Amino acid sequence: DAKTTQPNSMESNEEEPVHLPCNHSTISGTDYIHWYRQLPSQGPEYVIHGLTSNVNNRMASLAIAEDRKSSTLILHRATLRDAAVYYCILRKNSGAGSYQLTFGKGTKLSVIP
Amino acid sequence: DGGITQSPKYLFRKEGQNVTLSCEQNLNHDAMYWYRQDPGQGLRLIYYSQIVNDFQKGDIAEGYSVSREKKESFPLTVTSAQKNPTAFYLCASSIYLTGQYGYTFGSGTRLTVV
Repeated sequence: DAKTTQPNSMESNEEEPVHLPCNHSTISGTDYIHWYRQLPSQGPEYVIHGLTSNVNNRMASLAIAEDRKSSTLILHRATLRDAAVYYCILRKNSGAGSYQLTFGKGTKLSVIP
Repeated sequence: DGGITQSPKYLFRKEGQNVTLSCEQNLNHDAMYWYRQDPGQGLRLIYYSQIVNDFQKGDIAEGYSVSREKKESFPLTVTSAQKNPTAFYLCASSIYLTGQYGYTFGSGTRLTVV
């Protein structure tokens, strides 16, 4: 199964942009890239997902490399409420295991006031 | 507002007892899932269900059981056969099994064996 690699932790100053990287060099052509975040003692929250093109929503932007072997989640202005563990996940579009999200350890983002 | 409700938020169990964790959704989602999370770890899939009266084992199903008698409900029973049940349990749902529109998670149940 395709796996993702993320830094264990990152820090950002409040109101600064944050770029959270994710490597997925073994991604297949039909794998979607999903991002979730989890606050302490809460369930994960959907942030954004994409396939090939960059994506924007009210929470964040997702920049996908042209070869799709890496992606970056962009929080345009970090707030204290953005402090969480961010998970980059590949989801198969079809076939065996297409239902499954495989969560790794993610990146713990700390936001400094 | 639509969402997933897990109850209770905290649960204590004596060794040798079975306990049932509740998960209810009002999102009209077809698929539902149970995950387990241990401290500092990612999530591991226990069971999932695509439709009423159907469910499949995930990666760590041993010692757990589920039922799906109603679309809205997917309770998880942690049996005495589960060797290390202390963990944070998360229920999730998606419109379809493929999850192409994303997954919604509940706020979790923290189970502690005493």
